Formats: sequence, C-alpha cells, structure tokens
Amino acid sequence: DVKVTQSSRYLVKRTGEKVFLECVQDMDHENMFWYRQDPGLGLRLIYFSYDVKMKEKGDIPEGYSVSREKKERFSLILESASTNQTSMYLCASTKLAGLHNEQFFGPGTRLTVL
Amino acid sequence: SQQGEEDPQALSIQEGENATMNCSYKTSINNLQWYRQNSGRGLVHLILIRSNEREKHSGRLRVTLDTSKKSSSLLITASRAADTASYFCASGGGADGLTFGKGTHLIIQP
Repeated sequence: DVKVTQSSRYLVKRTGEKVFLECVQDMDHENMFWYRQDPGLGLRLIYFSYDVKMKEKGDIPEGYSVSREKKERFSLILESASTNQTSMYLCASTKLAGLHNEQFFGPGTRLTVL
Repeated sequence: SQQGEEDPQALSIQEGENATMNCSYKTSINNLQWYRQNSGRGLVHLILIRSNEREKHSGRLRVTLDTSKKSSSLLITASRAADTASYFCASGGGADGLTFGKGTHLIIQP
C-alpha cells in the first residue's frame, strides 16, 4: 500500500521561529511536492523536486526553502515563520515525470504561527 | 494562478441522489484529474481522464471531458453519506506539479 507520511498533523509555532516540515514516501518516487492550502485559494505549489538534491520553485516560494538529501524525504523549511504562513501544508509524490501520473498525498500538517 | 475552477463552490443533496460538479480550465491540457479531500485530510486521487478521452467511469464515478469547451464534469451516482467531502479538479501531473481548482464542497444529507 502506497504511503506518504508527514511528521506532524498539527503544529503551533511562534513568529520568527525556524520550522521544519518533513515528508517521507515509501514508493521510490522521483518527484515530490509541497503545497499549501488556504480557504478560498485552493492548493498552491510552493516547491517541488524531481531528484535528490534538486529543487524547483513553484508558484509561491517566498519565505520557504526545501531540502532533498534522500530520495524518500522532502523537507519544507520556514526560515523565519510569519503569521501569514499559517496554513495547511500538503506533501505529495509521483513517479517519473510522465504526463499521466496521479499524485499521492500525505495527510497534511496544519501549521499555526502565533 | 488557478488553472481549474470548480462549479458549484458548494452542493448539498439528499443521500441517494446524483451529484454533478463541473470544472473549467483555461489552457490546453494533457489530462485532467479529480481528487477528493475529506475534512482536514490529504487528497485522494479519484480518476484521470486524458485529453483524447471523452468519458471515463470508475465505480459510481463518471467523468466527462470537453476539450473544445475546456470543461470537465464529475458525476457521483447514488450518493452516500461517506461521499461528503471537497472535490478538486487538477491538470498537469508531470514533474512540475498539478494546478488545482478551488474545489466543490459536497454535503450529502441523510
């Protein structure tokens, strides 16, 4: 059974803190993604990675960075958390860059920045 | 920017009825996917329809695609309480991620 896991379901942090969100997939997928989901805005792509140590900016990368040191793990980093980064964060993965590949999502991390 | 726009934003129907949701998109696509999200959880892939397909079925789900109108519809037949969720259309799916619509929130009344 395919699985994408995220390190926390709920997280509360203070403004200015450095925050790490971890995502692990056990499907040997090459591509991994971080989205954030906000009411009225839907899902928006923050960063993605198509290989170890490779990363590409998505639509809203400002205030975020990522790390992909191992194929199965993709980390999202908030260097200095701000209240406007309060959101639901969703990680996803997919196999090689095919045109017809579904994405597998983790359960999400609801982050609150006070 | 959002590629897909779902319509309606919210839909409430009685259990057993059929639910239809629509999605419109702006640019050309290779495929269109539908996902379901239960409250506060991750997304689950439901069905993918390719640009050269017009209709696809999976269990109680029926998806249509009209590339001339840049629109797709998702029909859930004989709805159940467990179908209560948000439904998203998405396009892309290659190495650079999916572009999602804002979703239709479906409520099935018992």
